[in-house]
Amino acid sequence: SQQGEEDPQALSIQEGENATMNCSYKTSINNLQWYRQNSGRGLVHLILIRSNEREKHSGRLRVTLDTSKKSSSLLITASRAADTASYFCATGGSGSTLGRLYFGRGTQLTVWP
Amino acid sequence: EADIYQTPRYLVIGTGKKITLECSQTMGHDKMYWYQQDPGMELHLIHYSYGVNSTEKGDLSSESTVSRIRTEHFPLTLESARPSHTSQYLCASSEVTGAKNIQYFGAGTRLSVL
Repeated sequence: SQQGEEDPQALSIQEGENATMNCSYKTSINNLQWYRQNSGRGLVHLILIRSNEREKHSGRLRVTLDTSKKSSSLLITASRAADTASYFCATGGSGSTLGRLYFGRGTQLTVWP
Repeated sequence: EADIYQTPRYLVIGTGKKITLECSQTMGHDKMYWYQQDPGMELHLIHYSYGVNSTEKGDLSSESTVSRIRTEHFPLTLESARPSHTSQYLCASSEVTGAKNIQYFGAGTRLSVL
């Protein structure tokens, strides 16, 4: 399976703390994406990192990618209660599966006020 | 928020009913997808389309069918709903450019079959 796997499955922190989520995948990739899903809603794209990039920032988000280890991490700094959501990594297909995304099981993040 | 809409948001029906879940996008994307997701679980791709009159089955076997007669519309139909179809159904669309494939999701339809 090309699906990524997030770790941990659930994370609970206080407001102001940093939250780190990890993703491992199995095949070679063109890029890796992170999505967020609020309870009962659809997914929202957060950030995309290309296979030739090692780190990328967007606001309070920092994503790293290590293609040699087939892993990525998402860091949310100075977390807020509004960051409470599930976070998914997704890898893209190639060749005949170009255009498809393979999602992991997600990390459920709870940020307590 | 992306310009992709799903209706209804919630649907509770009895076993054996025929239902159609609607999905429309105004972004002109060629590619559209249907995912099934149980609470707290991963997304499973059940159908996708790379353009008008093109539909393919995804990784998870599903008794549902889809059609793509217009670029903006990708409805999913269940001919005879069963309790095992109870789940959340998410529609998405994308425009693949180079190595990018960012998908835009609707808010989902939560289906309960009694």
